[in-house]
Amino acid sequence: SQQGEEDPQALSIQEGENATMNCSYKTSINNLQWYRQNSGRGLVHLILIRSNEREKHSGRLRVTLDTSKKSSSLLITASRAADTASYFCATFTSGTYKYIFGTGTRLKVLA
Amino acid sequence: DAGITQSPRHKVTETGTPVTLRCHQTENHRYMYWYRQDPGHGLRLIHYSYGVKDTDKGEVSDGYSVSRSKTEDFLLTLESATSSQTSVYFCAISESKDRGRSPLHFGNGTRLTVT
Repeated sequence: SQQGEEDPQALSIQEGENATMNCSYKTSINNLQWYRQNSGRGLVHLILIRSNEREKHSGRLRVTLDTSKKSSSLLITASRAADTASYFCATFTSGTYKYIFGTGTRLKVLA
Repeated sequence: DAGITQSPRHKVTETGTPVTLRCHQTENHRYMYWYRQDPGHGLRLIHYSYGVKDTDKGEVSDGYSVSRSKTEDFLLTLESATSSQTSVYFCAISESKDRGRSPLHFGNGTRLTVT
């Protein structure tokens, strides 16, 4: 399977704390994207990092990418109850049109 | 939200029957995708399309076929439904003008139960 993996599978934190989730993948990539899914809904794009970038910020989100280790992390700072959702990484590989998703991390932020 | 409509939203069908799911977009995006989502597996790519009449297989294409006769519609057919195809199916679209740097936009999914 080409599918990547994320860890932890589930994470529960208090409001105001930071949440970190990790993604590992198997093939060379052009870019890596993070998505969020609220229960019962489709995924929503959060942020994209290119293979030649090491870190990227967007609001309370910080993404890092280590292509030598084939891994990425998503940090959500000062979490809120509304951040409760599942988070997925997805990789895009040159020469294909495919976006391959990881298995996801379920985040629960307690008020 | 991007203009993506999946139909039906829910369907219950019997083993052995054919089923067709429809994805309709109003964005005129070139690329369309079908994923299935199952607990413990995340999203897995079934088939995708990179243009009208241009389709290719994803990771879990066995038992599924697709068709795209016009830009706005991408149909997923389960030729003979099995219980293992009980899942939530998501359609996604992308402009993907620049090596995958366009994000995917997702529909709200179709929940399919095969009894």
